[in-house]
Amino acid sequence: GESVGLHLPTLSVQEGDNSIINCAYSNSASDYFIWYKQESGKGPQFIIDIRSNMDKRQGQRVTVLLNKTVKHLSLQIAATQPGDSAVYFCAAGKTIFGAGTRLFVKA
Amino acid sequence: EAEVAQSPRYKITEKSQAVAFWCDPISGHATLYWYRQILGQGPELLVQFQDESVVDDSQLPKDRFSAERLKGVDSTLKIQPAELGDSAMYLCASSFAPTASYGYTFGSGTRLTVV
Repeated sequence: GESVGLHLPTLSVQEGDNSIINCAYSNSASDYFIWYKQESGKGPQFIIDIRSNMDKRQGQRVTVLLNKTVKHLSLQIAATQPGDSAVYFCAAGKTIFGAGTRLFVKA
Repeated sequence: EAEVAQSPRYKITEKSQAVAFWCDPISGHATLYWYRQILGQGPELLVQFQDESVVDDSQLPKDRFSAERLKGVDSTLKIQPAELGDSAMYLCASSFAPTASYGYTFGSGTRLTVV
């Protein structure tokens, strides 16, 4: 069945540094992949998505990379800010979420 | 900015009681989802609606959970009877179409505590 997981449950970075959050998936039939950010007590918030026929997509301070050969997805956050502290989830289509990676940003 | 509305925000109920959650999706969003998120875990899809029809309820514990979207707009998720293990955040999300390329818009959820 489908499964999507994250490599690291917790990531701690210094303010201003770049952050990289990784995700491995097992179902390559997904049409698109999504990254969500979830702050405490709130629902997940869409950050960026990438279609399965793309390998890179850039947004504002965020970049998502997709490597279909090794079934790997990553989210890069440039110049990480305290407001980026949250749990980040990757999703493959509608139903698969990993346990998430908690990002701590140290001032 | 349009939001997905959920109520109540918090709910405490005793086990074996019935409990219901309400969701009002973004206007015009035909697809609606209910997720359950246990503390420390990722959201798990319970049910997906397309307009008023259920298109995926494979993960819904149908012996105690039910969901409806009678007019294809707002939706209700019910648990009867509630069990201790049902304590979780129940999230509603909506999208314009099932394969929305901009992900889904989530509500703030209902935090359920079963005692």
